[in-house]
Amino acid sequence: GDSVTQTEGQVALSEEDFLTIHCNYSASGYPTLFWYVQYPGEGPQLLFRASRDKEKGSSRGFEATYDKGTTSFHLRKASVQESDSAVYYCALSVNNNNAPRFGAGTKLSVKP
Amino acid sequence: EAAVTQSPRSKVAVTGGKVTLSCHQTNNHDYMYWYRQDTGHGLRLIHYSYVADSTEKGDIPDGYKASRPSQENFSLILELASLSQTAVYFCASRDRGLNERLFFGHGTKLSVL
Repeated sequence: GDSVTQTEGQVALSEEDFLTIHCNYSASGYPTLFWYVQYPGEGPQLLFRASRDKEKGSSRGFEATYDKGTTSFHLRKASVQESDSAVYYCALSVNNNNAPRFGAGTKLSVKP
Repeated sequence: EAAVTQSPRSKVAVTGGKVTLSCHQTNNHDYMYWYRQDTGHGLRLIHYSYVADSTEKGDIPDGYKASRPSQENFSLILELASLSQTAVYFCASRDRGLNERLFFGHGTKLSVL
């Protein structure tokens, strides 16, 4: 079935560090890819999405580029802040009636 | 802003008891979902629904039932709660369309003792 793999379970950084969270997917069709962010005590919320090869999604300084060749959608940010501490989920949807699937999530902790 | 409300926010249940988690959305969305969140597993799909009076099994449906009596309401039912069902449960809704985002509730923390 369709699936998403996030290799980092936890990432610990200091403010102004560069962030990369890896996301690879396996899908039967041409998926739309998403990054969601979850703050403590809340449900996940959309960070951004991309639906075509080479499309870049971005929001709040975070970005990711849809790469069909490597089946990847890695999340990056040039300079993290303490307020970015949260859990980040990569997700995919393959077709309209196919329920979105999520990766295992990456907990980001940023020290001031 | 689209709204998804889950109740209760937290619940303690006894092993073997029946638990019902409720979800109400005011988004006028056709699609609704139940996910379970566990550390190390992320969000896993339990059941979902495209339309009222119809539900579909997700990836981990065993031990769970779902009910969609109306477009706005979607319930998750644990007929015989077990220790392994201790988790945080999230309900979500979305509009039609492949690119549409999910709108999540705040979650229900369930502890089965």
